[in-house]
Amino acid sequence: EAQVTQNPRYLITVTGKKLTVTCSQNMNHEYMSWYRQDPGLGLRQIYYSMNVEVTDKGDVPEGYKVSRKEKRNFPLILESPSPNQTSLYFCASRTAGFQETQYFGPGTRLLVL
Amino acid sequence: KQEVTQIPAALSVPEGENLVLNCSFTDSAIYNLQWFRQDPGKGLTSLLLIQSSQREQTSGRLNASLDKSSGRSTLYIAASQPGDSATYLCAAANAGGTSYGKLTFGQGTILTVHP
Repeated sequence: EAQVTQNPRYLITVTGKKLTVTCSQNMNHEYMSWYRQDPGLGLRQIYYSMNVEVTDKGDVPEGYKVSRKEKRNFPLILESPSPNQTSLYFCASRTAGFQETQYFGPGTRLLVL
Repeated sequence: KQEVTQIPAALSVPEGENLVLNCSFTDSAIYNLQWFRQDPGKGLTSLLLIQSSQREQTSGRLNASLDKSSGRSTLYIAASQPGDSATYLCAAANAGGTSYGKLTFGQGTILTVHP
């Protein structure tokens, strides 16, 4: 089954404790992206990757890091989480062509205390 | 910078009604316009994608139209059912600059269909 998986699905952590949210897709997609979703602000792009070793900032990259060492994986790293990073996070992927839709993971709900 | 607006923010209708959700975007330089559905606590599911060269797309009871010149798209849902209750999001895939088809989302319309 074609899918995007994220882990963990729920996470409670404390300020400053480094964490990684994993994202993996099994569709051989070139393009992957991370979004955060907040009430009243909608979905905003954090980082995206056009292919292995090619990443770039989205609209709200501050406080986040990403890497793309393998085509299927695109982890999101919070080096020093803060309460304003409490949010619902989505990973998505699509083919390189712009004609295709993006496939979204189930989301990771993060609470930073 | 692309901005996407959805109206109304929330809609409650009785089962069986036909309804229209509206989406407007400020920059007409788009590759496509996409409609997604989001159920509570779940991810986004793609419903329809309209290429910039197309005027509409249909899938079952859903029909989406696109008017690039006026910066508008509508999602028409025929014969609504309680199972249609969800948040509906539209997103514009930007064509300008180095955005590489980045999606800019509206804030969504929360639809409730009551029996």
